Amino acid sequence: AQSVSQHNHHVILSEAASLELGCNYSYGGTVNLFWYVQYPGQHLQLLLKYFSGDPLVKGIKGFEAEFIKSKFSFNLRKPSVQWSDTAEYFCAVNDRGSTLGRLYFGRGTQLTVWP
Amino acid sequence: NAGVTQTPKFRILKIGQSMTLQCTQDMNHNYMYWYRQDPGMGLKLIYYSVGAGITDKGEVPNGYNVSRSTTEDFPLRLELAAPSQTSVYFCASSSGTGGYNEQFFGPGTRLTVL
Repeated sequence: AQSVSQHNHHVILSEAASLELGCNYSYGGTVNLFWYVQYPGQHLQLLLKYFSGDPLVKGIKGFEAEFIKSKFSFNLRKPSVQWSDTAEYFCAVNDRGSTLGRLYFGRGTQLTVWP
Repeated sequence: NAGVTQTPKFRILKIGQSMTLQCTQDMNHNYMYWYRQDPGMGLKLIYYSVGAGITDKGEVPNGYNVSRSTTEDFPLRLELAAPSQTSVYFCASSSGTGGYNEQFFGPGTRLTVL
């Protein structure tokens, strides 16, 4: 079975600081990779996704993520965070060959941004 | 277009009670999923459905049942509530097949079993 590790459980930053959230997965096959965000009181929303091609993918609200196949990593970055980025961030993967498309989630990283 | 809707938003149950968590999507998606999210943990798949009349177990199905009589609705049933089922429950849907399709999530149901 696949597993996803998010090493930072809670990150606290000041506005304008740079952000990097780690995500590593374990799976022997080919995967699709996702970052979801959950703002306080809201449902999960897709932030960005990687299927193939350029390993540096850009998502909404200035977020980007880099897929490093050799390290089984898909870290999320943002050069300058805002107070409105306070949320919980989930990394997820699925098996590209699966017809179900079932997602395997990491445990999430709570990001708190102080104004 | 409401997307994925879930009811109720909050619920407190006593041990042994039963309830049904409702999930409806208006995007004509064939694939629907139920996840639970425990504090400090990622989402875990309870049950899924690939179309009306077709359901199957996910990672943590014990204590739950589902049905899929229509494309739109995918209710989750708890027959004998236990404290271990205290969690936040998310319903999701996606179109097509395979891992390339984004899953759209509902707002969640926060369930407490006392």
